[in-house]
Amino acid sequence: DAMVIQNPRYQVTQFGKPVTLSCSQTLNHNVMYWYQQKSSQAPKLLFHYYDKDFNNEADTPDNFQSRRPNTSFCFLDIRSPGLGDAAMYLCATSRLQGTTEAFFGQGTRLTVV
Amino acid sequence: GQSLEQPSEVTAVEGAIVQINCTYQTSGFYGLSWYQQHDGGAPTFLSYNGLDGLEETGRFSSFLSRSDSYGYLLLQELQMKDSASYFCAVRAHNNAGNMLTFGGGTRLMVKP
Repeated sequence: DAMVIQNPRYQVTQFGKPVTLSCSQTLNHNVMYWYQQKSSQAPKLLFHYYDKDFNNEADTPDNFQSRRPNTSFCFLDIRSPGLGDAAMYLCATSRLQGTTEAFFGQGTRLTVV
Repeated sequence: GQSLEQPSEVTAVEGAIVQINCTYQTSGFYGLSWYQQHDGGAPTFLSYNGLDGLEETGRFSSFLSRSDSYGYLLLQELQMKDSASYFCAVRAHNNAGNMLTFGGGTRLMVKP
């Protein structure tokens, strides 16, 4: 059973048109992450939540926002997508303690036209 | 800030052993993880080292030396299906919270 679910798997949006990507988890993990991954590059951390505490990476553009209305759901909002925002967006969750394994969703591949 | 260095590409033959090194610089270090990612897929967890030493999980082993800020992933009895990208990732905690930061990734190509 999928534990971290991202919808949709593929998203096409128009240049400048706001888009929202969603992530849900059944693991009840405290921490949720959003990563951006471009072709042949490492996942780049955009921001993460510890419960409701939001932590933004210093170099994450203001164009990217996030919401976590409850433990299970997290959203990535791109207010005005540019061509350079085309990428795979990965959501991940983890507990704070223990082996701290992170569980990833299958990702949403965003295309900007 | 945090930085991780690992080789960009490694090639090996089936049945061989390969070691992928990772050096890191970070504050608030908790531990070092390794993830495997096949083309088009999501990263999947392989191993975690919170303490110095070797962790073994089947054909894969991972090592950490906190004093050297260094770790490696060892893959034994390589199989074609092991062709993938391998990322080391640092878990760290600082004023910005609890972070999992990835290295640039090592693309492993296993040849017959």
